[in-house]
Amino acid sequence: NAGVTQTPKFQVLKTGQSMTLQCAQDMNHEYMSWYRQDPGMGLRLIHYSVGAGITDQGEVPNGYNVSRSTTEDFPLRLLSAAPSQTSVYFCASSPQYYNSYEQYFGPGTRLTVT
Amino acid sequence: AQTVTQSQPEMSVQEAETVTLSCTYDTSENNYYLFWYKQPPSRQMILVIRQEAYKQQNATENRFSVNFQKAAKSFSLKISDSQLGDTAMYFCAFLGLETSGSRLTFGEGTQLTVNP
Repeated sequence: NAGVTQTPKFQVLKTGQSMTLQCAQDMNHEYMSWYRQDPGMGLRLIHYSVGAGITDQGEVPNGYNVSRSTTEDFPLRLLSAAPSQTSVYFCASSPQYYNSYEQYFGPGTRLTVT
Repeated sequence: AQTVTQSQPEMSVQEAETVTLSCTYDTSENNYYLFWYKQPPSRQMILVIRQEAYKQQNATENRFSVNFQKAAKSFSLKISDSQLGDTAMYFCAFLGLETSGSRLTFGEGTQLTVNP
């Protein structure tokens, strides 16, 4: 089992560029989510999905899009990157969206927007 | 909405000593989990310990234990016999089962340094 994988590990973008952060899990987990980590603020939820075809917004969704066409993959799209989106991004998965209590995290992607 | 507060941005401890990290939370739910996650310099998020709100007994995992005070909404982490490898950022997190599903709410984090 590879667990939760994220690509790329590092990325530098210019303001206005778009890109997709990839996330995949091979544990057949129903629930997947994206967090961003900023200094002094812990991790904040961006978007989440309770299964293929179902997504919803978290605490800080503006500027990001997601889709979930398969159980395994949950990509995060930045439509027009802004310096405020400079952060470390984590993808996580867990077995069920309800009554689940352990989330498995990917290694993170450090994104810098100049 | 749930909130989680860690009031100690940084702490340090000598190797082999005991240290306690504080966490308070606010919720109107009765059915929830609390967690402590460790994030070493590698950036990987590692689950340290979890506590179910309905269990009165405090959770313990080897050198890690919690002091769960439900009425006071307090959830502190005690690390005994601290080791250099315990140096990391520690996050307290809340998961409400009544309204939040699997949505974790994190505190701001406490940077723990273990000194030789």
